[in-house]
Amino acid sequence: DAGVIQSPRHEVTEMGQEVTLRCKPISGHDYLFWYRQTMMRGLELLIYFNNNVPIDDSGMPEDRFSAKMPNASFSTLKIQPSEPRDSAVYFCASSFTGDQAFFGQGTRLTVV
Amino acid sequence: AQSVTQPDIHITVSEGASLELRCNYSYGATPYLFWYVQSPGQGLQLLLKYFSGDTLVQGIKGFEAEFKRSQSSFNLRKPSVHWSDAAEYFCAVGGGFKTIFGAGTRLFVKA
Repeated sequence: DAGVIQSPRHEVTEMGQEVTLRCKPISGHDYLFWYRQTMMRGLELLIYFNNNVPIDDSGMPEDRFSAKMPNASFSTLKIQPSEPRDSAVYFCASSFTGDQAFFGQGTRLTVV
Repeated sequence: AQSVTQPDIHITVSEGASLELRCNYSYGATPYLFWYVQSPGQGLQLLLKYFSGDTLVQGIKGFEAEFKRSQSSFNLRKPSVHWSDAAEYFCAVGGGFKTIFGAGTRLFVKA
Protein backbone atom coordinates (compact mmCIF):
# COMPACT_ATOMS: atom_id res chain seq x y z
CA ASP A 1 0.00 0.00 0.00
CA ALA A 2 1.26 3.49 -0.80
CA GLY A 3 0.30 4.84 2.59
CA VAL A 4 -1.89 7.83 3.30
CA ILE A 5 -1.82 10.17 0.33
CA GLN A 6 -2.48 13.88 0.69
CA SER A 7 -2.77 16.52 -1.97
CA PRO A 8 -1.60 19.07 -2.62
CA ARG A 9 1.70 19.03 -0.73
CA HIS A 10 1.84 22.80 -0.75
CA GLU A 11 -0.91 25.37 -1.21
CA VAL A 12 -0.58 29.13 -1.31
CA THR A 13 -3.78 31.09 -1.51
CA GLU A 14 -5.08 34.57 -0.91
CA MET A 15 -7.16 35.48 2.07
CA GLY A 16 -10.85 34.96 1.40
CA GLN A 17 -10.37 32.15 -1.08
CA GLU A 18 -11.70 28.65 -0.64
CA VAL A 19 -9.15 25.94 0.03
CA THR A 20 -9.73 22.22 -0.32
CA LEU A 21 -7.31 19.66 1.05
CA ARG A 22 -7.59 16.05 -0.02
CA CYS A 23 -6.77 12.74 1.56
CA LYS A 24 -6.77 9.11 0.49
CA PRO A 25 -6.47 6.80 3.49
CA ILE A 26 -4.86 3.39 3.55
CA SER A 27 -7.18 0.79 2.08
CA GLY A 28 -9.04 -1.12 4.76
CA HIS A 29 -8.61 1.53 7.42
CA ASP A 30 -11.95 2.65 8.74
CA TYR A 31 -10.78 5.56 10.88
CA LEU A 32 -9.65 8.81 9.36
CA PHE A 33 -8.27 11.79 11.24
CA TRP A 34 -7.50 15.37 10.25
CA TYR A 35 -4.83 17.18 12.28
CA ARG A 36 -3.41 20.68 12.13
CA GLN A 37 0.17 21.44 13.16
CA THR A 38 1.44 24.91 14.03
CA MET A 39 4.40 26.16 15.99
CA MET A 40 2.17 27.81 18.55
CA ARG A 41 -0.35 25.05 19.16
CA GLY A 42 1.48 21.89 18.14
CA LEU A 43 -0.52 19.03 16.70
CA GLU A 44 -4.27 19.39 17.11
CA LEU A 45 -6.97 16.91 16.18
CA LEU A 46 -9.61 18.67 14.12
CA ILE A 47 -12.06 15.89 13.31
CA TYR A 48 -12.19 12.15 12.88
CA PHE A 49 -14.39 9.76 10.97
CA ASN A 50 -15.31 6.14 11.53
CA ASN A 51 -16.73 4.25 8.56
CA ASN A 52 -17.13 7.56 6.71
CA VAL A 53 -19.22 9.09 9.48
CA PRO A 54 -17.92 12.11 11.40
CA ILE A 55 -17.65 11.09 15.04
CA ASP A 56 -16.07 14.06 16.75
CA ASP A 57 -15.58 17.46 15.18
CA SER A 58 -15.04 19.35 18.42
CA GLY A 59 -11.57 20.30 17.29
CA MET A 60 -12.75 22.16 14.21
CA PRO A 61 -11.87 25.76 15.00
CA GLU A 62 -14.70 27.59 13.26
CA ASP A 63 -17.60 27.19 10.91
CA ARG A 64 -15.27 28.16 8.12
CA PHE A 65 -13.84 24.66 8.40
CA SER A 66 -15.73 21.65 7.10
CA ALA A 67 -14.76 18.06 6.39
CA LYS A 68 -16.41 15.33 4.38
CA MET A 69 -15.80 11.69 3.69
CA PRO A 70 -18.04 10.67 0.78
CA ASN A 71 -16.55 7.17 0.62
CA ALA A 72 -14.00 4.95 2.30
CA SER A 73 -11.16 6.06 0.06
CA PHE A 74 -11.49 9.83 0.04
CA SER A 75 -11.85 12.74 2.41
CA THR A 76 -11.67 16.51 2.08
CA LEU A 77 -11.03 19.35 4.47
CA LYS A 78 -12.36 22.66 3.24
CA ILE A 79 -11.72 26.16 4.53
CA GLN A 80 -14.02 28.87 3.25
CA PRO A 81 -13.13 31.68 3.46
CA SER A 82 -9.49 31.20 4.32
CA GLU A 83 -7.60 33.56 6.65
CA PRO A 84 -3.88 34.08 7.28
CA ARG A 85 -4.18 32.46 10.72
CA ASP A 86 -5.19 29.23 9.00
CA SER A 87 -1.64 28.87 7.71
CA ALA A 88 -0.34 25.56 9.04
CA VAL A 89 0.53 22.03 8.03
CA TYR A 90 -2.56 19.86 7.80
CA PHE A 91 -2.13 16.12 8.26
CA CYS A 92 -4.48 13.35 7.41
CA ALA A 93 -4.06 10.02 9.18
CA SER A 94 -5.85 6.72 8.99
CA SER A 95 -6.13 3.79 11.32
CA PHE A 96 -7.49 0.28 11.38
CA THR A 97 -7.96 0.01 15.11
CA GLY A 98 -8.54 3.65 15.95
CA ASP A 99 -5.42 3.72 18.12
CA GLN A 100 -2.32 3.58 15.95
CA ALA A 101 -2.47 6.24 13.28
CA PHE A 102 -0.59 6.27 9.98
CA PHE A 103 0.12 9.77 8.79
CA GLY A 104 0.31 11.31 5.35
CA GLN A 105 3.08 13.72 4.47
CA GLY A 106 0.89 16.72 5.09
CA THR A 107 -0.25 19.77 3.18
CA ARG A 108 1.53 23.00 3.96
CA LEU A 109 -1.03 25.77 3.64
CA THR A 110 -0.03 29.40 3.39
CA VAL A 111 -2.73 32.05 3.30
CA VAL A 112 -1.47 35.49 2.29
CA ALA B 1 -8.12 15.27 31.73
CA GLN B 2 -5.73 13.53 29.41
CA SER B 3 -2.46 15.30 28.76
CA VAL B 4 1.06 14.65 27.61
CA THR B 5 4.08 16.64 28.71
CA GLN B 6 7.43 16.62 27.02
CA PRO B 7 9.56 18.80 29.28
CA ASP B 8 12.38 19.38 26.82
CA ILE B 9 11.67 21.58 23.83
CA HIS B 10 15.01 20.67 22.28
CA ILE B 11 17.99 18.50 23.09
CA THR B 12 21.44 18.38 21.57
CA VAL B 13 23.57 15.24 21.76
CA SER B 14 26.82 14.20 20.15
CA GLU B 15 26.78 11.49 17.55
CA GLY B 16 27.42 8.17 19.24
CA ALA B 17 26.18 9.36 22.60
CA SER B 18 23.16 7.93 24.36
CA LEU B 19 19.78 9.63 24.25
CA GLU B 20 16.80 9.85 26.56
CA LEU B 21 13.71 11.89 25.73
CA ARG B 22 11.27 12.42 28.54
CA CYS B 23 7.52 12.03 28.43
CA ASN B 24 4.98 12.28 31.23
CA TYR B 25 1.30 11.70 30.83
CA SER B 26 -1.93 12.14 32.69
CA TYR B 27 -4.62 9.60 32.03
CA GLY B 28 -7.45 8.08 34.00
CA ALA B 29 -6.93 4.48 32.96
CA THR B 30 -4.21 2.30 31.56
CA PRO B 31 -3.01 4.30 28.61
CA TYR B 32 -1.95 3.38 25.16
CA LEU B 33 1.36 5.17 24.64
CA PHE B 34 3.20 6.02 21.49
CA TRP B 35 6.37 7.66 20.25
CA TYR B 36 6.40 9.21 16.80
CA VAL B 37 9.24 10.81 14.85
CA GLN B 38 8.85 13.61 12.34
CA SER B 39 11.61 14.50 9.91
CA PRO B 40 11.51 17.93 8.28
CA GLY B 41 8.76 18.17 5.69
CA GLN B 42 7.46 14.73 6.51
CA GLY B 43 4.55 13.24 8.34
CA LEU B 44 4.79 11.43 11.64
CA GLN B 45 6.18 7.92 11.68
CA LEU B 46 5.48 5.52 14.52
CA LEU B 47 8.62 4.47 16.39
CA LEU B 48 7.00 2.24 18.99
CA LYS B 49 3.89 1.74 21.06
CA TYR B 50 2.85 0.33 24.40
CA PHE B 51 -0.53 -1.23 24.93
CA SER B 52 0.10 -3.80 27.68
CA GLY B 53 2.53 -6.46 28.83
CA ASP B 54 6.27 -5.96 29.01
CA THR B 55 6.94 -2.42 30.12
CA LEU B 56 10.10 -2.17 28.02
CA VAL B 57 9.16 -1.93 24.37
CA GLN B 58 11.43 -2.08 21.39
CA GLY B 59 10.84 0.00 18.31
CA ILE B 60 12.32 0.72 14.95
CA LYS B 61 15.68 2.36 14.31
CA GLY B 62 17.14 1.04 17.57
CA PHE B 63 14.80 2.98 19.86
CA GLU B 64 13.21 1.64 23.01
CA ALA B 65 10.90 3.06 25.65
CA GLU B 66 10.00 2.09 29.16
CA PHE B 67 6.56 2.49 30.68
CA LYS B 68 6.70 3.37 34.37
CA ARG B 69 3.23 3.54 35.83
CA SER B 70 4.40 4.85 39.22
CA GLN B 71 6.02 7.83 37.53
CA SER B 72 3.45 8.25 34.75
CA SER B 73 6.34 8.27 32.34
CA PHE B 74 7.18 6.74 28.99
CA ASN B 75 10.72 7.85 28.20
CA LEU B 76 12.34 7.13 24.86
CA ARG B 77 15.94 5.90 24.75
CA LYS B 78 18.61 5.03 22.26
CA PRO B 79 22.08 3.82 23.25
CA SER B 80 23.98 5.43 20.37
CA VAL B 81 22.59 8.31 18.33
CA HIS B 82 23.25 8.66 14.62
CA TRP B 83 23.20 11.96 12.71
CA SER B 84 20.13 10.74 10.84
CA ASP B 85 18.18 10.68 14.12
CA ALA B 86 17.99 14.47 14.09
CA ALA B 87 14.25 15.14 13.95
CA GLU B 88 11.32 16.04 16.13
CA TYR B 89 9.94 13.41 18.47
CA PHE B 90 6.38 13.28 19.75
CA CYS B 91 5.05 11.31 22.65
CA ALA B 92 1.33 10.54 22.50
CA VAL B 93 -1.33 8.97 24.68
CA GLY B 94 -4.61 7.49 23.65
CA GLY B 95 -7.13 5.19 25.13
CA GLY B 96 -9.80 5.20 22.54
CA PHE B 97 -10.09 6.76 19.18
CA LYS B 98 -8.36 10.02 19.90
CA THR B 99 -4.66 10.41 20.40
CA ILE B 100 -3.25 13.39 22.27
CA PHE B 101 0.21 14.49 21.30
CA GLY B 102 2.85 16.20 23.34
CA ALA B 103 4.42 19.42 22.10
CA GLY B 104 7.42 17.57 20.76
CA THR B 105 11.15 17.52 21.45
CA ARG B 106 13.49 18.56 18.70
CA LEU B 107 16.69 16.54 18.64
CA PHE B 108 19.88 18.05 17.29
CA VAL B 109 22.88 15.80 16.69
CA LYS B 110 26.36 17.28 16.60
CA ALA B 111 29.34 15.64 14.99
